[in-house]
Amino acid sequence: VQVVESGGTLVQPGGSLTLSCAVSGFTFSDYNMNWVRQAPGKGLEWVSYITSGSDTIFYSDSVRGRFTISRDNTKNSVFLRMTSLRVEDTALYYCAKWVAPGYFDSWGQGTLVTVSS
Amino acid sequence: SYVLTQPPSLAAAPGKTATITCGGNNIGSKSVHWYQQKPSQAPVVVISKNTDRPSGIPERFSGANSGNTATLTISRVEAGDEADYYCQVWHSGSDHRGIFGGGTKLTVL
Repeated sequence: VQVVESGGTLVQPGGSLTLSCAVSGFTFSDYNMNWVRQAPGKGLEWVSYITSGSDTIFYSDSVRGRFTISRDNTKNSVFLRMTSLRVEDTALYYCAKWVAPGYFDSWGQGTLVTVSS
Repeated sequence: SYVLTQPPSLAAAPGKTATITCGGNNIGSKSVHWYQQKPSQAPVVVISKNTDRPSGIPERFSGANSGNTATLTISRVEAGDEADYYCQVWHSGSDHRGIFGGGTKLTVL
């Protein structure tokens, strides 16, 4: 299993950014996927969840209305569109495969998003 | 909202047993998962579904869950076990979400 995130960069407050996650080694279209983030020196924070067919999506309260998760099963990829970025969104963003009854059994190495002026 | 509480730090000598707790309201009714995260590395699940150990995880790692406390026990602690450990549950209700504990830094003396 390989999970590879990309797209992280330095962005100004109020800006937008899209993260990508490319996976291989399992049948992507069979699995629900998530984004989890970790601010520098802090703990893990769940961000968003999308089902295999994109029919059900959930967000944490801290990002709802600003972030949008999506996926393309033809490209074995999941995305996180982030808008109205805040300084507190600064974090390493991990893409993680979800398995029932609700844990993350495969993670990427993360992509760093820095929100600063 | 549901909160998981972990001690920020714990120290154990090599060869001894380390027990990391994860407190939550009636957590015994939930499925608890534990992750190990070493510096500059992604988290790795060491215990899933309260007590299951994924392939490749040493038998020294075990889990339990009852009442208001779940525990991760590391027997015969080794230097390589020094890491941050996180408990996690999946909240399923009107709004589903992943919930992590604050993490426990295990120091091997």
